[in-house]
Amino acid sequence: DTAVSQTPKYLVTQMGNDKSIKCEQNLGHDTMYWYKQDSKKFLKIMFSYNNKELIINETVPNRFSPKSPDKAHLNLHINSLELGDSAVYFCASSQEGKAFFGQGTRLTVV
Amino acid sequence: AQSVAQPEDQVNVAEGNPLTVKCTYSVSGNPYLFWYVQYPNRGLQFLLKYITGDNLVKGSYGFEAEFNKSQTSFHLKKPSALVSDSALYFCAVRDIGSSNTGKLIFGQGTTLQVKP
Repeated sequence: DTAVSQTPKYLVTQMGNDKSIKCEQNLGHDTMYWYKQDSKKFLKIMFSYNNKELIINETVPNRFSPKSPDKAHLNLHINSLELGDSAVYFCASSQEGKAFFGQGTRLTVV
Repeated sequence: AQSVAQPEDQVNVAEGNPLTVKCTYSVSGNPYLFWYVQYPNRGLQFLLKYITGDNLVKGSYGFEAEFNKSQTSFHLKKPSALVSDSALYFCAVRDIGSSNTGKLIFGQGTTLQVKP
């Protein structure tokens, strides 16, 4: 019944690895997002997709590549992970301005 | 560019007392303003929003917010705080730029600590 679900909840990996975070929403929303929350709790948008099309890419390194196979899914793939990528990544979907967030994926790069 | 600011990193209040968490905004055009709450190790939850209409907006868990156009503020309030209200609160403005993506621009967050 979870509206926006993302997996995994925790991800610990070594520098240089490639990893993916998956996100699914069952709300029927057309727009999905990835946000990054850093260690100081600042939240910043990374990507936005509308109906499977990329509409925002906020100066994110091209090691980060979102993929939307359908409008209910927005996955985030990260290549060549760096220490600075350690953060909590939130997926969200929205309708009429109100956003619903997943529980977050805490990524730790060691 | 749209932005919001939350001037307080932390607000401390005793249980049963009224609470205010401050937010000011800077937008071109009419603001679409939101409050979200983040409990530890959880995602953000929607509390309330202002788009048009009454300046006093009521939301979840007994929270309300007052839109003040002259002061460009959208402070979050609750008449009587509960210990369970302790969390991180974010004010946000919806970006209504040319692409109309609906993305949210968040303030830096305010930690609310309610003590018994």
